[in-house]
Amino acid sequence: QLQLQESGPGLVKPSETLSLTCSVSNDSIITSRRFWGWIRQPPGKGLEWIASIYYNGGAYYNPSLQSRVTISVDTSKNQISLNLKSVTAADATVYYCVRHTGEYRSGFDSWGQGIPVAVSS
Amino acid sequence: QSALTQPRSVSGSPGQSVTISCTGTSDEVGGYNYVSWYQQHPGTPPKLMIYAVTRRPSGVPDRFSGSKSGNTASLTISGLQAEDEADYYCSSYAGSYTFVFGGGTTLTVL
Repeated sequence: QLQLQESGPGLVKPSETLSLTCSVSNDSIITSRRFWGWIRQPPGKGLEWIASIYYNGGAYYNPSLQSRVTISVDTSKNQISLNLKSVTAADATVYYCVRHTGEYRSGFDSWGQGIPVAVSS
Repeated sequence: QSALTQPRSVSGSPGQSVTISCTGTSDEVGGYNYVSWYQQHPGTPPKLMIYAVTRRPSGVPDRFSGSKSGNTASLTISGLQAEDEADYYCSSYAGSYTFVFGGGTTLTVL
């Protein structure tokens, strides 16, 4: 069964860069031919798509976050990563690693457990 | 990109049917047949319930169904069960390889 495991610091200082990693188990980022991505959810609020990436590095970003976000893939480790720079209190949310359905536009069929991130000095 | 509009809450009794709406614009919901729905119980990640407007992933009960008319998509849950009590989110492809979500709807089973 596919497993997505997010990891990273639970606390980041304002203006610094948040770096998260998602380790994929029981599926191959390369051979799955799926897109992989990040979605976040502020406490008690809705969901926000951040970015998605293919095994070859092709990536797409939420226009509202694009200037601060970089998504990357490491096929040798079967991992994807997210960097979010210049964080503020508004970035303190739960971050989920996700896999797209077989058709990119159809949605997200697998989710990690999520990693909560706090922003504080 | 603006969030899709969902009712804050809906409720129904066991055995009844409820429908959750998701309203957008022709830029997303109305423009593409790529609306998806997610169920989220407290403390757990969202779970895909419907994709491509009407399709159910394997393992999702056929009590869950999706539809769309114009700029509004709907999730209908028939034969309500206690375990259906959860938050539900809609999402739509919004063009240019981007996605937008709704604000979420809390379903209460009375």
